[in-house]
Amino acid sequence: GAVVSQHPSRVICKSGTSVKIECRSLDFQATTMFWYRQFPKQSLMLMATSNEGSKATYEQGVEKDKFLINHASLTLSTLTVTSAHPEDSSFYICSASRTSGGATDTQYFGPGTRLTVL
Amino acid sequence: KQEVTQIPAALSVPEGENLVLNCSFTDSAIYNLQWFRQDPGKGLTSLLLIQSSQREQTSGRLNASLDKSSGRSTLYIAASQPGDSATYLCAVRQGGSEKLVFGKGTKLTVNP
Repeated sequence: GAVVSQHPSRVICKSGTSVKIECRSLDFQATTMFWYRQFPKQSLMLMATSNEGSKATYEQGVEKDKFLINHASLTLSTLTVTSAHPEDSSFYICSASRTSGGATDTQYFGPGTRLTVL
Repeated sequence: KQEVTQIPAALSVPEGENLVLNCSFTDSAIYNLQWFRQDPGKGLTSLLLIQSSQREQTSGRLNASLDKSSGRSTLYIAASQPGDSATYLCAVRQGGSEKLVFGKGTKLTVNP
């Protein structure tokens, strides 16, 4: 159990376009979802935390208007990169956690989405 | 602000060797520490999770230890195999938070 999927796995787009990435928890309800970005040979950096039905909490330095996060249901969160530029090219990974008995479970990670902006 | 450091950044060993990967963190007020494996262009696979009250966890050929007071964890891999080649990431979860802070990882290559 605890499988998280991401779609698409890879996307190439032109500069100035918007790209939507989906993150789904397949066999559990995710009370919280997280979005990370990973540049080559760098660590995963948390971009934002989202709870179902509420606004996402963004980390310092992450532009809210550029990286739109929607957590519309307990199994789906989307990240939209608006007006993408080459510097947004990166590996985006989501994770999902669930709350059980008042305690938050570990995070389960998706397979990642490779975004390339030309 | 929590900072996680992993040493070495890269490691190359012959098949069959036992090896140790190191992780250190600056703030000892952690909830737990987790070791992940990441294959090139892929997501993360959780290997071991150590709660702050625990000293070590074992899974097969892997053993992870935690010394919270000194801010250190080690991942021990016994009898390494070429299939163990990957990047190993260490992440800590702070007390009172769901956030994970990751190190940059150690890229391991096990040569046949």
